[in-house]
Amino acid sequence: DAGVIQSPRHEVTEMGQEVTLRCKPISGHNSLFWYRQTMMRGLELLIYFNNNVPIDDSGMPEDRFSAKMPNASFSTLKIQPSEPRDSAVYFCASMLGYTGELFFGEGSRLTVL
Amino acid sequence: AQSVTQLDSQVPVFEEAPVELRCNYSSSVSVYLFWYVQYPNQGLQLLLKYLSGSTLVKGINGFEAEFNKSQTSFHLRKPSVHISDTAEYFCAVSSNSGGSNYKLTFGKGTLLTVNP
Repeated sequence: DAGVIQSPRHEVTEMGQEVTLRCKPISGHNSLFWYRQTMMRGLELLIYFNNNVPIDDSGMPEDRFSAKMPNASFSTLKIQPSEPRDSAVYFCASMLGYTGELFFGEGSRLTVL
Repeated sequence: AQSVTQLDSQVPVFEEAPVELRCNYSSSVSVYLFWYVQYPNQGLQLLLKYLSGSTLVKGINGFEAEFNKSQTSFHLRKPSVHISDTAEYFCAVSSNSGGSNYKLTFGKGTLLTVNP
């Protein structure tokens, strides 16, 4: 069974450009999370979807960040415009019901120059 | 709100030695507790979790942890480590009440390095 699939694995872009990160959760999982990992701040929850509906976006840093989940098998995280301080590893994770077990993708490493 | 403190940012040990990675949490409500492991260039994966019941929890790869409510701790232990256990370990907490039990708060992580 395929795990959580994220793309791209690496993205290098210039300040001001739009960045779109993609995620395919595990089939049947009804909860999806976007996390950001940096050395300084550790792992931060950006947004949580349940049954494709955004439930908690309080972790989204600012209006430059947006996330969508148009269907149960696909989600995007968009940054527009990107800034150097957005450089981080972005993880998507999914969960079935509430088991407490998050299944993480391998992450998208974003570098904004 | 919850918070997690992992007391050691790095723990070096020799192969076959025992190890304990320390985790303390703060919460005004009852909690669920987790340990996750992250190998280089990978996402996190669940090692073990405490939701209820026995306070001694066994996980994958020979790890176990004990929930101590009075000391608000959830330390991770393994009696004999292998080179392959080298990774970063994250303790996490969530509230077990209301509608916020999905929200895991992670510690900053402990890098376990197992040397031959």
